[in-house]
Order: sequence, then structure tokens, then C-alpha cells
Amino acid sequence: DVKVTQSSRYLVKRTGEKVFLECVQDMDHENMFWYRQDPGLGLRLIYFSYDVKMKEKGDIPEGYSVSREKKERFSLILESASTNQTSMYLCASRQRGTYEQYFGPGTRLTVT
Amino acid sequence: KQEVTQIPAALSVPEGENLVLNCSFTDSAIYNLQWFRQDPGKGLTSLLLIQSSQREQTSGRLNASLDKSSGRSTLYIAASQPGDSATYLCAVRGSGGSNYKLTFGKGTLLTVNP
Repeated sequence: DVKVTQSSRYLVKRTGEKVFLECVQDMDHENMFWYRQDPGLGLRLIYFSYDVKMKEKGDIPEGYSVSREKKERFSLILESASTNQTSMYLCASRQRGTYEQYFGPGTRLTVT
Repeated sequence: KQEVTQIPAALSVPEGENLVLNCSFTDSAIYNLQWFRQDPGKGLTSLLLIQSSQREQTSGRLNASLDKSSGRSTLYIAASQPGDSATYLCAVRGSGGSNYKLTFGKGTLLTVNP
């Protein structure tokens, strides 16, 4: 079974803090993704990594950066958290060339 | 730009009923289409994936169809149960330069009443 884990289920941070969201997958997948999910807007892609140290911007990369130093780990970084980044964050992974994306349980981030 | 629409936004049915969820997409140049289930506050679980060359996929009480030329997919749930209550999302994977990403619909919230 593919397993995608996220470091926290719930997180509360203050405006201006630097925030790290961690995602780990155990199936040696090349591709990893970060999405955010908001009511009325659905899931939107923030960043995508197609291999170690490789990344591409998704649809809404502003205010975020990512790091992929090891194949199994993909980190999402909020350099200076703002209230409009309060959201559910979902990580996913996929074996290159195959079809299915596998999702983690999500991190609900609240920025106050 | 690909857009994915799901109708209805919410659906409430009595237990045992057969039901259909609809998904439409604007750009027919897709690689595949995937249906997911999401329980409240949780991540997404993949239910069915249909390649662009396929017409349908089945898993247990679920059947998904794809009409690529008309930009439509349906998810059929037979003999619904209260445990089927969840939000159902469809997502399409583009072909060509954008073939790494999924574009999601906003989901259908299904409630199955005992």
C-alpha cells in the first residue's frame, strides 16, 4: 500500500511566522505535489516536483516555496505566513509514467 | 485553460437508491480522469481511474464512464449505503505540456440517509 504522510494534522501559526509543512511518501515515487483546498475554490496546485531538487510552479505559487532534497520528502514553506494562507494543505505523490496520484491526510493550517 | 464542473453540488438520497454523479470538462485533450472520495477533514482516496482510450471502469458498486469527445464523465453508485456519504471529486489530467497536473472539480457532497 502506498503511504503518504504529513507531519501535522492541525497547525496554528501567527502572521509573519515561517512555516514548514512536511510530506513523506514510502513508495519511491518521483513525482510529488502540494495542493491547497478552500471552500468554493476546490483543490488548487501550488507546486510540483518531478524529481529530487526539481520543481515547477503550479497555479498558485505566490507566497510559497518548496524543497525536495530527498526523493521521499517534499516540503512546503510559507516564508511569512499570512491570514489568507489559512487552508487545508494536501500532499500527493505519483510514480512517474503511471497514472494514479496518492494523497496524504492533509494539514489544516490556521494563521492568526 | 481546463475547467471541471461537477453537478449537483450536493445530493441527499435514501439508503438503497442507485445514483449518478456528473462531471464535465472543457478541454477534451486529456490523458485520464480520476474519481476520488473525501471524508470530512481528511485526504482524498482514489476510487476509479479511466484512461482517455477507455469508456468505463468498474469497482464493486461503482462504475465510472467517460465520453471524452463530449467532455463528460459519470460516476454511478449502485445500492447506496450510509457509509457512502462523503464528497466525491473528479479530476482530469491534461495531455501535452500540462500532463503532470490534475484539474479538480469542486465536488459533489453526497448524503445517504438510513
